[in-house]
Amino acid sequence: EVQLVESGGGLVQPGGSLRLSCAASGFTFSSYWMSWVRQAPGKGLEWVANIKQDGSEKYYVDSVKGRFTISRDNAKNSLYLQMNSLRAEDTAVYYCARSEAYCGGDCYSNWGQGTLVTVSS
Amino acid sequence: AIRITQSPSSLSASTGDRVTITCRASQGISSYLAWYQQKPGKAPKLLIYAASTLQSGVPSRFSGSGSGTDFTLTISCLQSEDFATYYCQQYYSYPPSFGQGTKVEIK
Repeated sequence: EVQLVESGGGLVQPGGSLRLSCAASGFTFSSYWMSWVRQAPGKGLEWVANIKQDGSEKYYVDSVKGRFTISRDNAKNSLYLQMNSLRAEDTAVYYCARSEAYCGGDCYSNWGQGTLVTVSS
Repeated sequence: AIRITQSPSSLSASTGDRVTITCRASQGISSYLAWYQQKPGKAPKLLIYAASTLQSGVPSRFSGSGSGTDFTLTISCLQSEDFATYYCQQYYSYPPSFGQGTKVEIK
């Protein structure tokens, strides 16, 4: 069974940093593009970033470029999101999601349960 | 970036009703569109990808159609477990983007 388990969320002050982790199991992690998708409280879904199987390609939404860094450790079956210079508008539930090649691109059939990041003083 | 306009933002329907939700892309996205269902406090669930391909395990009352800029999700006979929020998502180009969501409520 595919499992994605996020951790690392919490309360942080504006300008602070946080590192999210996503532990993957039940599939060959190194064979999949992986993504982070977020959802502000009561709002819709927003794609944040993704990373290629070997980490050689990474893409970001404009609003986080230069502040967030996506990475992975295939030996540990883990995905990460380093978030710096956090702003109130980064407050959201952050989901880790597996990209499905059979879609022909970035669609997501497996998601974690999400981890809440709250940016507030 | 491609903008996705989803409508309506909410609708009220009864069990057994036929429900239609639409998404319009700001430019052509071929068939690179997915539909998700999300229930409160839960992660989204993939229903349809490639505009019209039903994800494994999803009931056949869900169907998708369209290509280019205009897309439709249809629930043919609404069941109690279908009351949820639905999102479309384009994955034709970066960044992948979602519609604003449609909340399907009980009439």
